[in-house]
This record gives sequence, C-alpha cells and structure tokens, in this order.
Amino acid sequence: QSALTQPASVSGSPGQSITISCSGTSSDVGGYNYVSWYQQYPGKAPKLMIYDVSVRPSGVSDRFSGSKSGNTASLTISGLQAEDEADYYCGSYTRSNTVVFGGGTKLTVL
Amino acid sequence: QLQLQESGPGLVKASETLSLTCTVSGGSISSSSYFWGWIRQPPGKGLEWIGSVYYTVSTYYNPSLKSRVTISADSSKNQFSLNLSSVTAADTAVYYCASDTAMTRTEYWGQGTLVTVSS
Repeated sequence: QSALTQPASVSGSPGQSITISCSGTSSDVGGYNYVSWYQQYPGKAPKLMIYDVSVRPSGVSDRFSGSKSGNTASLTISGLQAEDEADYYCGSYTRSNTVVFGGGTKLTVL
Repeated sequence: QLQLQESGPGLVKASETLSLTCTVSGGSISSSSYFWGWIRQPPGKGLEWIGSVYYTVSTYYNPSLKSRVTISADSSKNQFSLNLSSVTAADTAVYYCASDTAMTRTEYWGQGTLVTVSS
C-alpha cells in the first residue's frame, strides 16, 4: 500500500487559516469516511484531532475541522495560534482491512 | 481512560528478531471495543502502520511487513506483543503501541520506545 500524499510543509500567520490536504485513492480515502488526522509535537506521541473525516474528539478545539472530496481529505485550522505549530498526519482505513498514513506535514506559524 | 506502555530492548542486532510488549491499563484487551496495534516512526520520518490484533485472535498486517511481523495478545497479562524478524537498519524507529476503534481512528498511544538496529 502506498502512503497518502500530504504537502511537506505549510505555513501561516497567527489568526489566519490554513488547510492541509491528504490525497489517496478510491481504495482508501475515497472509498470510506474513515479519515483521521493527528497532531504530533517533537518527541511526543501523536494526538488524534479528527476522525471519521470531520468528527472532533472531546477536548479538541473547534478551530480544527476536516472534510473530504473524492479521494482527497483536508484538515483546516482556523485562527492559527503559535501552539498549533507541529507535524500533522492523516490516516485512512483501506479496502484491504489495513491502515495507511500520509507522509506528514510540518506546520509553521510565522 | 486507557493507558499503554511499551517495553523491550532498545538495541537489536541486524538479522535478529525485534520483540516489544505493550502493557494496557484502564481497560481489557479482550474487549470488543478496541483493536490493539503497533505503529512505528523512523527518526525524522513519518508514521508507518505495522498491524493490529482484535479480540486477541484476529490479526491484520501491513502488506509490506507481513512476512516478518507477528502481533499477539495475552489476555491473562493484559498485554500484546510485536515480533519483527530479520531486522535491518531500516527497522530503526520509535515504536508506538496504540489502540484504535475498528482501525478507523487511533485514540490512545503509548509514549513510544526507540529501537535501534545495530550491525
């Protein structure tokens, strides 16, 4: 299985909105509403931020939102804050009963 | 609240078998609510899903690792384990144990343990 495709880096200024894309195929992202997003700080374990394309777990800020169109999912962070600077990974359930992750996106808050 | 903790050697010789154990607290690995799995992250790189075990008997593996991976569960100890055979330097990574819901979202993660493969 091939990794999902994410941009290597994105950046934005405090208060702005940014969007991170996650491209897959009809066998993973496009075939199921089971896309999740994770935030990871250096040296720390990832944290679930979005699941089932657009559902936020309890305790996650509503500045984080997810969506999907065809084979591409997106994570949008609005009202960017310094604390949002981290690596972000998408993940998807696949037709083969496995999980595939994206290569990760480094978010820089300018 | 589930808590997971990895344990095992931090250094493994090339061609040998990497073995890690994850101890679960706050819930039972025999529960039908969760899959129990392993995810790794080579230094400076992204996440790679290794595989999962469900209900202590059903296993699911990354096709690229399937020939070398075994994930098993011990309900008496509330632990699950990872064995990765014939390791090379490419298997050097931080290994996370985790629990997820039907492989659709990984909610609980261990802190991760760095395993280095030496030649």
